[in-house]
Amino acid sequence: QVQLVESGGGLVKPGGSLRLSCAASGFTFSDYFMTWVRQAPGKGLEWVSYISGSGAFTNYADSLKGRFTISRNNADNSLYLQMTDLRADDTAIYYCARDTYLGSGSGSHAFDYWGQGTPVSVSS
Amino acid sequence: SYVVTQAPSVSVAPGQTARLTCGGNNIGDNSVNWYQQKPGQAPVLVVHDDTYRPSGIPERFYGSNSGNTATLTIRRVEVGDEADYYCQVCVGSGEVTVVFGGGTKLTVL
Repeated sequence: QVQLVESGGGLVKPGGSLRLSCAASGFTFSDYFMTWVRQAPGKGLEWVSYISGSGAFTNYADSLKGRFTISRNNADNSLYLQMTDLRADDTAIYYCARDTYLGSGSGSHAFDYWGQGTPVSVSS
Repeated sequence: SYVVTQAPSVSVAPGQTARLTCGGNNIGDNSVNWYQQKPGQAPVLVVHDDTYRPSGIPERFYGSNSGNTATLTIRRVEVGDEADYYCQVCVGSGEVTVVFGGGTKLTVL
């Protein structure tokens, strides 16, 4: 069965950095786009970034470009999110999710499996 | 940037029909996906590409999308359907941007 397990969250000071990981299993990881979505406490869902199956194509929410970097290692079925210059409003639960987009305009970015999330708190 | 609007809350009695809307400029030209999120849990995809249900999602959940409004209809609402529901839109071609609505809290009275 599909499993996604995030790790790497924690408490970090403003201006600091953090690297989140997502371990995937139960499917052919390299065949799928993958996505990060975050949710601030008591707030709604916010899309962060997605990456193609090969890792060659990425996209980010406009507000996060330049501070966050998504990457993946298909050899060990892992997804990453490198976060730098963290701010208080980056405090959220960060979810990784499998993305159903097939590329080349086929289908949409729908997120059919989610991890349980890893919490990130940015505070001095 | 593209703005997606959802009503903050909807209330319905058990057995009735709930209609949750998602508004956006010509949203009917874009694919819309819907997620259910219960407290303390990760979201669950309930409708994708406007009208399709993933396996395991009851037929009571039905999606539509036209003009400036996408709608998630839940027929014969059950107490267990009480949750936050988010619509999500894919905007653009080539470099597609993903936008979530603010969510609707469905209360089953």
